[in-house]
Amino acid sequence: EIVMTQSPATLSVSPGERATLSCRASASVNNKLAWYHQKPGQAPRLLIYAASSRATGLPARFSGSGSGTEFTLTISSLQSEDFAVYYCQQYNNWPWTFGQGTKVEIK
Amino acid sequence: QVQLVESGGGVVQPGRSLRLSCAASGFNFNSYHMHWVRQAPGKGLEWVAVIWDDESYEFYADSVKGRFTISRDNSKNTMFLQMNSLRPEDTALYYCARDWGYCSGDPCYFFDFWGHGTLVTVSS
Repeated sequence: EIVMTQSPATLSVSPGERATLSCRASASVNNKLAWYHQKPGQAPRLLIYAASSRATGLPARFSGSGSGTEFTLTISSLQSEDFAVYYCQQYNNWPWTFGQGTKVEIK
Repeated sequence: QVQLVESGGGVVQPGRSLRLSCAASGFNFNSYHMHWVRQAPGKGLEWVAVIWDDESYEFYADSVKGRFTISRDNSKNTMFLQMNSLRPEDTALYYCARDWGYCSGDPCYFFDFWGHGTLVTVSS
């Protein structure tokens, strides 16, 4: 099973600042990597797939990069609605696995 | 708009059974592969099972294989998860999720729409 490790566990950021989240896979997942965020009491929302493709309607301030084992989600200028828990997920190898999450909180 | 509404959760004793449902609307249900994903309290996400759009295939996580059965009724736009021999470690919020589509003829295995979940608690 591929283990997905996200860092940091918590990221404290001021509104308007840049946030960079990392996701590492224990083996190569090529570019089959998705990002989601989840706000309290809400369902997860797809943000990025294929490592760098934005989901429909996602603002351009979100960008994904990476391939193989190292991936990054960047939010260029944090808005109030972006404070949430972010998960990465690999879909290259069964079973499909998620990272443990990075909580982005208001500084 | 796409809606997925789960139901059927509750409190159940270890070893007993429970059947979850996911009612879908706002899209052509029989054209999409569908999944169950769960989240234990305070924990991360765990993929549970997938069923093909035409019911031709289904796959399970090792943690539920042999105990859980995924199914769907395309005439009623509904998916199910029959959970037998429940264990305390099955306690979680169970989400219904839509697969993004087709990738090289198979499901893509990432999820573009999710329901809000139904809570299953296994406790004596």
